Amino acid sequence: EAGVTQFPSHSVIEKGQTVTLRCDPISGHDNLYWYRRVMGKEIKFLLHFVKESKQDESGMPNNRFLAERTGGTYSTLKVQPAELEDSGVYFCASSQGRVPIFEQFFGPGTRLTVL
Amino acid sequence: TQLLEQSPQFLSIQEGENLTVYCNSSSVFSSLQWYRQEPGEGPVLLVTVVTGGEVKKLKRLTFQFGDARKDSSLHITAAQPGDTGLYLCAGFSMEYGNKLVFGAGTILRVKS
Repeated sequence: EAGVTQFPSHSVIEKGQTVTLRCDPISGHDNLYWYRRVMGKEIKFLLHFVKESKQDESGMPNNRFLAERTGGTYSTLKVQPAELEDSGVYFCASSQGRVPIFEQFFGPGTRLTVL
Repeated sequence: TQLLEQSPQFLSIQEGENLTVYCNSSSVFSSLQWYRQEPGEGPVLLVTVVTGGEVKKLKRLTFQFGDARKDSSLHITAAQPGDTGLYLCAGFSMEYGNKLVFGAGTILRVKS
C-alpha cells in the first residue's frame, strides 16, 4: 500500500511568488494534517482536515496560506505571496481516525526555499 | 518558548553505549509519542504512551512516561549505527487544543 506522498519534494521560489504544495494521503484516510518545520525550530501543526472539511486551522500562520481538500482526497497548500519566513519543510500526514488512537503517517515533506 | 523541551539536542556515541533522551514540559499531556526521522523522510511513529508511569519496550528501546504525565524518556541500550537518526517527542495536551506538539528533536549519531 502506498504511503503519504507529497509533491514537489523541493521548491525554490522568489519572494512574492506563489507556490502550491500537494499531499496525497493514504487511500481511505479521512484525516489529513499539515505541519511545518522552519529552520532550527520544532515541527508545528498548521491544520487538520476531516474529509473535505477543515476541522482545525488554528496553526495557519496568516491569510497568505490557503489549504484545500476538494472531494476529501488529496490536499493542496497554497502560499501567496510567499515571504522569506515561509521557508521550511512542509509535512503532510494522514490517519484513518482520530489521533492518537489511530497512527498518523507522515509524508516525506516538501522543502520550500523562498529567496 | 518550546512546549516540549527535548535534551540533548545532539548526541554522538560509540557503538555499544547506552543513551537516554529526555522530553520535558510544564504541562500535562494526555499522551506522548516518540518518532524517528531519517534524512529525506517524514517522522515515523515508534511508540505512544498514555498512562502516567507507563513503560514500553521496543527491542533495545525503552520508553517511559512520567508519573505526572509531564515528561518522557527514551533509553537505547547497546546503540548500533542503525539507530542513527533524529528522534522526536510529540504529544497531545488539552492545554494546546489537543493538537500534536513536537519537541525540537535529538540528533543521534552512533559511530562504529
